[in-house]
Amino acid sequence: DGGITQSPKYLFRKEGQNVTLSCEQNLNHDAMYWYRQDPGQGLRLIYYSQIVNDFQKGDIAEGYSVSREKKESFPLTVTSAQKNPTAFYLCASSRGAFGNEKLFFGSGTQLSVL
Amino acid sequence: KQEVTQIPAALSVPEGENLVLNCSFTDSAIYNLQWFRQDPGKGLTSLLLIQSSQREQTSGRLNASLDKSSGRSTLYIAASQPGDSATYLCAGLRGGFKTIFGAGTRLFVKA
Repeated sequence: DGGITQSPKYLFRKEGQNVTLSCEQNLNHDAMYWYRQDPGQGLRLIYYSQIVNDFQKGDIAEGYSVSREKKESFPLTVTSAQKNPTAFYLCASSRGAFGNEKLFFGSGTQLSVL
Repeated sequence: KQEVTQIPAALSVPEGENLVLNCSFTDSAIYNLQWFRQDPGKGLTSLLLIQSSQREQTSGRLNASLDKSSGRSTLYIAASQPGDSATYLCAGLRGGFKTIFGAGTRLFVKA
C-alpha cells in the first residue's frame, strides 16, 4: 500500500540532546512537509521541500533542521536550540507541482521532554 | 495574518443526527480546500478535497461545500454514528506550499 511512514511513534528527548524523526513516503510525491501540532491549535509548518536537495523554512523553523537527500525521505532533527519541543509532529507529502495539491499525512510522532 | 476558523470548537450530538461543521477563511488566495479527520494520537485522514473549480464534493454520508466569495466551507455529516467521533480539520490550500489549517471541531456522537 502506498503511504507515509513515520517513526518512532513516541520519542523522548533529554536536555541538550538532538533527536531525529523519520519520514518515508512511497507515493512518488515531489513535495514533503513537516508540521507541528500543539493541543487546541492548528498545524504549523516547520519546513517543506519541493524537490530533492532543496528545502525551505516554514513559519516555525527555529530549532529544527531537515535534509532531503532522497525523494522518499525527509528526516526532521529537533535540536537542543528548540526550547519547547514537546508536541505532535506530522509529516505530509503532495504531488507538489504548484503547492496547492491534496495533502497526505503520516501517523505522527509524539515527542516529549524527559 | 491569514486565518482559518472552525466553529464550533466542540460538538456533542445523539446518534442518527445530521450535522454541519463550519470552516471560514480570510485568505482570498486559497485555491483548494481539504477536510480531514483526526483520531486521538493519530495522523490526519483525508475526507474530501474541493478544488477551486468545484462547489461541492460528496463521499458516502459526507458532503462538503465551498463558497470562495464568502470565505466559507461546510462539512455535512448525515445520520451520524459513534464511529464518526473524532476531530475534523479544514485546510486552505494555497499556492507556494503554504497551507493554513483550522484548529478543528471535536465531535462526539453519543450512542
